[in-house]
Amino acid sequence: AAGVIQSPRHLIKEKRETATLKCYPIPRHDTVYWYQQGPGQDPQFLISFYEKMQSDKGSIPDRFSAQQFSDYHSELNMSSLELGDSALYFCASSFVLGELTGELFFGEGSRLTVL
Amino acid sequence: DAKTTQPNSMESNEEEPVHLPCNHSTISGTDYIHWYRQLPSQGPEYVIHGLTSNVNNRMASLAIAEDRKSSTLILHRATLRDAAVYYCILRDVVTGGGADGLTFGKGTHLIIQP
Repeated sequence: AAGVIQSPRHLIKEKRETATLKCYPIPRHDTVYWYQQGPGQDPQFLISFYEKMQSDKGSIPDRFSAQQFSDYHSELNMSSLELGDSALYFCASSFVLGELTGELFFGEGSRLTVL
Repeated sequence: DAKTTQPNSMESNEEEPVHLPCNHSTISGTDYIHWYRQLPSQGPEYVIHGLTSNVNNRMASLAIAEDRKSSTLILHRATLRDAAVYYCILRDVVTGGGADGLTFGKGTHLIIQP
């Protein structure tokens, strides 16, 4: 079965540079979520989109922005990168319409290293 | 969001049942109890969820206390592949909703001994 696809899987950037992560949800899923997981930490919710509109916002820094496109894929843009942004970034998708307790399906993550 | 409390770690032997507890004394009537797990170097994975009644699926069982202030995830026969961090998460379907993010707290590191 198709899963959540994230790209790139690994990314190395310098401080103050910009990075973009992409997420392709499971077909027919209408909601995308972004999470950040630092070394030895638990996943932290950043932001979610339902039907291309921002739905919920967590601890996303102002330097980060995200959007969901017409084909439901999502991109997380990170600017003025800091060393502390080095983390695993997970995208998850779900089918929410009519199912308030729908499970989230997570991708394998994109590992960002800021030097 | 209402908070959950789980032990930091638990250890079990392979092929034995595992009972992972979760306390959620401030749970509201509209909070669903969700369990996810995260295997090493992988994204979190849905395990099971329930509201009031006990639930079973191919992965596990969820036993919910009558007052709903605690729950237990039961792995009937643990294997080495079940070694992971298990997260108990409350999800409010009224103030929250399906498109709101799940809040991962401090889960339980489950260690399986061969």
